Amino acid sequence: SQKIEQNSEALNIQEGKTATLTCNYTNYSPAYLQWYRQDPGRGPVFLLLIRENEKEKRKERLKVTFDTTLKQSLFHITASQPADSATYLCALAGSSNTGKLIFGQGTTLQVKP
Amino acid sequence: NAGVMQNPRHLVRRRGQEARLRCSPMKGHSHVYWYRQLPEEGLKFMVYLQKENIIDESGMPKERFSAEFPKEGPSILRIQQVVRGDSAAYFCASSPGRGLTDTQYFGPGTRLTVL
Repeated sequence: SQKIEQNSEALNIQEGKTATLTCNYTNYSPAYLQWYRQDPGRGPVFLLLIRENEKEKRKERLKVTFDTTLKQSLFHITASQPADSATYLCALAGSSNTGKLIFGQGTTLQVKP
Repeated sequence: NAGVMQNPRHLVRRRGQEARLRCSPMKGHSHVYWYRQLPEEGLKFMVYLQKENIIDESGMPKERFSAEFPKEGPSILRIQQVVRGDSAAYFCASSPGRGLTDTQYFGPGTRLTVL
């Protein structure tokens, strides 16, 4: 069955360092992959989208890579700040044109000042 | 430009009652998705609707759950005869189109507690 795995352990890093979060998937060939941020008690907020034919995407301090051979995406936050503390979700969509997203369980990032 | 609105934000029901969750998409969006987030779990897709049509309901439980998106008014997720296991956060998202890369914009969610 289709499976998406994100590191369930919280990631604790020092302010200014680069945070790297991992999303692995199996039994799936997504057309694209998205990353969302979710704060406690709030809905997810879209951050970045990367297509299956793209290797890397950047937006300000954020960088996403997508390796369809390894079936893995890495999400990087450079020069991290305490305000980056949140849960980060990866979501995959298939080639069927319904827009249905399959989410990982999320990784909580804590950036300490 | 208001975002996706959901109400109520918190809903408490006793077992056996009905729960009605409302979602108003962003202006100009005609595609609505419902997701459920159980405690300590990820978001799970439930249903995808366009105005007056259910496009994909593959994530909906077979019984007690229904959804609609009428021509006028908000989308409604209805849960009949609620049970404790229905306690969760229910999120609605909307998008302008059904293209593969159309970003989904999420509402703040409705937190349902079944006593």
